[in-house]
Amino acid sequence: DVKVTQSSRYLVKRTGEKVFLECVQDMDHENMFWYRQDPGLGLRLIYFSYDVKMKEKGDIPEGYSVSREKKERFSLILESASTNQTSMYLCASSMTSARGELFFGEGSRLTVL
Amino acid sequence: AQSVTQPDIHITVSEGASLELRCNYSYGATPYLFWYVQSPGQGLQLLLKYFSGDTLVQGIKGFEAEFKRSQSSFNLRKPSVHWSDAAEYFCAVGDNFNKFYFGSGTKLNVKP
Repeated sequence: DVKVTQSSRYLVKRTGEKVFLECVQDMDHENMFWYRQDPGLGLRLIYFSYDVKMKEKGDIPEGYSVSREKKERFSLILESASTNQTSMYLCASSMTSARGELFFGEGSRLTVL
Repeated sequence: AQSVTQPDIHITVSEGASLELRCNYSYGATPYLFWYVQSPGQGLQLLLKYFSGDTLVQGIKGFEAEFKRSQSSFNLRKPSVHWSDAAEYFCAVGDNFNKFYFGSGTKLNVKP
């Protein structure tokens, strides 16, 4: 069964802390994505990666960075967490073509105090 | 710019009743269209997708959707809703650059 695994389901961090959200997929997909989900706003793309060490900004990259050192792993980094980054973060992967649907992890709910 | 609009934030239907969730998109080329469902506390699961061909597509769990190019719509339907269909539903469009754009979602409540 295909799987996208996000390492933490729930995190609580303090303002100013550095936060790592990890995502691993076992489908050998080229593309990986980080979305942020907030009520009434749907899913907003933070960053995506179409290959190892390649990344592209999405719609809301400010305050975030990403790392993709291996094909199966895509990390989202909050260099200095702020309260307005409290949200649900969803990782997804897909094949190269847009015909390839997105496969999602279960999400990481981050609370920044 | 690409965008997806789901005009209904919340919908409540009785169990056994029919359902239609609306989705309108803005995209310059031929769109790749998707409907996803999210159960509480879970990630998103693909219900169905449209790439080309027959404009009526069938998905999992008894859902179907119809692509209408003239109306820029891709509405999701189910003839008889079950209590387990209560969830949030997202419409999405994919472009040729591997990006996906999502609507803001519609929360479905099912009355017994």
